[in-house]
Amino acid sequence: DSGVTQTPKHLITATGQRVTLRCSPRSGDLSVYWYQQSLDQGLQFLIQYYNGEERAKGNILERFSAQQFPDLHSELNLSSLELGDSALYFCASSPRRVGAEAFFGQGTRLTVV
Amino acid sequence: GNSVTQMEGPVTLSEEAFLTINCTYTATGYPSLFWYVQYPGEGLQLLLKATKADDKGSNKGFEATYRKETTSFHLEKGSVQVSDSAVYFCALDPYNNNDMRFGAGTRLTVKP
Repeated sequence: DSGVTQTPKHLITATGQRVTLRCSPRSGDLSVYWYQQSLDQGLQFLIQYYNGEERAKGNILERFSAQQFPDLHSELNLSSLELGDSALYFCASSPRRVGAEAFFGQGTRLTVV
Repeated sequence: GNSVTQMEGPVTLSEEAFLTINCTYTATGYPSLFWYVQYPGEGLQLLLKATKADDKGSNKGFEATYRKETTSFHLEKGSVQVSDSAVYFCALDPYNNNDMRFGAGTRLTVKP
């Protein structure tokens, strides 16, 4: 158990809909990362938050947004969903320390039908 | 920018074969380097890491040496097992500041 909790584990929704994925980081970790893992496209970095503020942005679509709340949990919002958004979405957290690793949740598998 | 490039997969080996997965990086300063492993149906977990040049990370028979002169962090294992079948990701934290970046991943399949 990494200590990072993602909900829900599975999500099936229709095209055009909006969903929210939730991540609770490990206790004390201030950094939260979101990644998308499609079948053949490896791990794509979406966005990073540090202590409530956006820190870095990767290949995140405009239809996607995220935020980190004062209690440090984070939500990833995906809207106007398309079939191609079907993927595994991972959240990771890490402490602010030199050489610190990132701890990953088990992921949310999103299926858009 | 800061990035990691790792060898394309998939890689298929027989049990007890020698494994090398190449990883090179681009970064300013002195990044920390990592290898993560993702077993089927699971999230990523840290396999090993190195935080400064010439450091060797090791775990479960896997090793990788931080080579600043060649900007590389190749993963090696002398004798792979079927249970090593997984996807392996090279990663770096460019400023030791939790700005983690991952390579594309290399899928390893080990056959008995």
